[in-house]
Amino acid sequence: EVQLVESGGGLVKPGGSLRLSCAASGFTFSSYTMNWVRQAPGKGLEWVSSISSSSSYIYYADSMTGRFIISRDNAKNSLYLQMNSLRAEDTAVYYCAKESPGGDAFDFWGQGTMVTVSS
Amino acid sequence: QSVLTQPPSVSGAPGQRVTISCTGSSSNIGAGYDAIWYQQFPGTAPKLLLFASTYRPSGVPDRFSGSKSGTSASLAITGLQAEDEADYYCQSYDSSLSGYVFGTGTKVTVL
Repeated sequence: EVQLVESGGGLVKPGGSLRLSCAASGFTFSSYTMNWVRQAPGKGLEWVSSISSSSSYIYYADSMTGRFIISRDNAKNSLYLQMNSLRAEDTAVYYCAKESPGGDAFDFWGQGTMVTVSS
Repeated sequence: QSVLTQPPSVSGAPGQRVTISCTGSSSNIGAGYDAIWYQQFPGTAPKLLLFASTYRPSGVPDRFSGSKSGTSASLAITGLQAEDEADYYCQSYDSSLSGYVFGTGTKVTVL
């Protein structure tokens, strides 16, 4: 059974940093592109970042470029998101999502971890 | 800001058919990229409903179907059931943004 478990969320002041983790199991983690998607309270889904299976290709949404860093450790079956210079508008539930074998679709999601940016 | 536009809400009586539109542009759906659909219940993670515009993952009932034409895609729910009351999002890839984009989301209400 595929499982994705996020951790690392919490309350952080504006300008602060936070590192999210996603522990994967139930599939060959090293074979799949992984993504982060966020959802602000009461709002829609927003794609954050994507990292290919071997970390060769990394992409970010424009509003995250330069502040967020995605990475993975295939030996530990783990995905990470380092978030710096956090703003109030980064407040959201952050989900890690596995990309489907054919690409483009996110076929499995974690339960999410809440990040609150507030003074 | 979402680049895929969906109606904020649709509603229907049990057993009826409802459709949700997803309007994109020439850099996403219109460029030939697939439309993907997700279902989300309050307080839970999204669930993949349709991929490659029309295909259902195993376990998704066949009352959910999809289509794509030009710069738009649609999700149809036939034989609407109370358990279908949820939020629905479309998603695609956008070549001008070099990333994935989601729709604005549609709340389906079963009357």
